[in-house]
Amino acid sequence: KAGVTQTPRYLIKTRGQQVTLSCSPISGHRSVSWYQQTPGQGLQFLFEYFSETQRNKGNFPGRFSGRQFSNSRSEMNVSTLELGDSALYLCASSWNRALNEKLFFGSGTQLSVL
Amino acid sequence: QQQVKQSPQSLIVQKGGISIINCAYENTAFDYFPWYQQFPGKGPALLIAIRPDVSEKKEGRFTISFNKSAKQFSLHIMDSQPGDSATYFCAASVSSGNTGKLIFGQGTTLQVKP
Repeated sequence: KAGVTQTPRYLIKTRGQQVTLSCSPISGHRSVSWYQQTPGQGLQFLFEYFSETQRNKGNFPGRFSGRQFSNSRSEMNVSTLELGDSALYLCASSWNRALNEKLFFGSGTQLSVL
Repeated sequence: QQQVKQSPQSLIVQKGGISIINCAYENTAFDYFPWYQQFPGKGPALLIAIRPDVSEKKEGRFTISFNKSAKQFSLHIMDSQPGDSATYFCAASVSSGNTGKLIFGQGTTLQVKP
């Protein structure tokens, strides 16, 4: 069974640009969450999607957005990039929103903003 | 109150020794406490998890000890091996309706010397 797939693996952008990251969850998984990982702030929750609806959102500005498609694949978008947005963006999937559901993480997209 | 504080930041242990990583939390609503292991270039992977109705959980060489009154929990790695060298994150969540939102500690980089 394939794991969580994130594309692209690496991305370099300049300030002011926008970026779209993609996540394909494990087959059959319907919940997708996104996290930002930086050396200074660690792992921080961005948002969670289930059945194409955003169910939960972290404390990030509106420049960070996402969506989920009917096949559970998800994308996140960051507009008007800032230097501080440089980070590893991780996607995690789980089968549903049941209590204590195990999260499976992808290897992430490393975004560098110059 | 949403924070999870993790220590130490880094840890060096000899092969065969015991690695101990500690975490503390403030939010008494947290009821799910997982530990994740992350290797370079990979996303975090669930190692072991505990709920506050038990004081200890063991899986192979990995043990979680939980002290509800002190609001602390720790990971013990027995007979540490060089292959255990990785970054370890504790996390916490309010499991009801919040499957995707984990609050992570800052991480501990473990090096096991042969």
